[in-house]
Amino acid sequence: GENVEQHPSTLSVQEGDSAVIKCTYSDSASNYFPWYKQELGKRPQLIIDIRSNVGEKKDQRIAVTLNKTAKHFSLHITETQPEDSAVYFCAASIGNDYKLSFGAGTTVTVRA
Amino acid sequence: GAGVSQSPSNKVTEKGKDVELRCDPISGHTALYWYRQRLGQGLEFLIYFQGNSAPDKSGLPSDRFSAERTGESVSTLTIQRTQQEDSAVYLCASSWTGKGTEAFFGQGTRLTVV
Repeated sequence: GENVEQHPSTLSVQEGDSAVIKCTYSDSASNYFPWYKQELGKRPQLIIDIRSNVGEKKDQRIAVTLNKTAKHFSLHITETQPEDSAVYFCAASIGNDYKLSFGAGTTVTVRA
Repeated sequence: GAGVSQSPSNKVTEKGKDVELRCDPISGHTALYWYRQRLGQGLEFLIYFQGNSAPDKSGLPSDRFSAERTGESVSTLTIQRTQQEDSAVYLCASSWTGKGTEAFFGQGTRLTVV
């Protein structure tokens, strides 16, 4: 099955700085890469996604980049704010049944 | 309802008892997932249903765990002879079709085995 590796496991940044989370996947047929944010005590929610025919996508302070050749994709958060503190999960959709496989998560802490 | 609904939201059970957790996916969603999330941990895949295909049960941790889904509707996750290590939040998610679409999560069932 698909193996999605996510790094780092924890990330502490100063408010206003950027945060970058990286994920790699093993199945070259993967075609859909969503990112989820899970705030403490809440359910994971989609914040941005990218498909295999696109290299980069932006939504305000959040951007995702995809490198299909290297089989990795990254989440970039600029001008971080305290409300960005959460656990972030990457995922890849793979195989004929398009099952989503999740990374282990990154705990992001934004220091005021 | 507008979203994925799970019940109960909280369940406390005695060790050795069986429990049944319910998930109502968004109407029309053919794909349904169950995940387990221990405190401070990631999403542990349990089982995946996609339409009429045979479910992917590769994540079920033992034969005490089973899940059923009625067509493209309700799913139940059953844990028999519960153990303390089963204590976790059980999350259900559904998507319109597995094919490259957003999965929507329910609020989860917090299971505590005492």
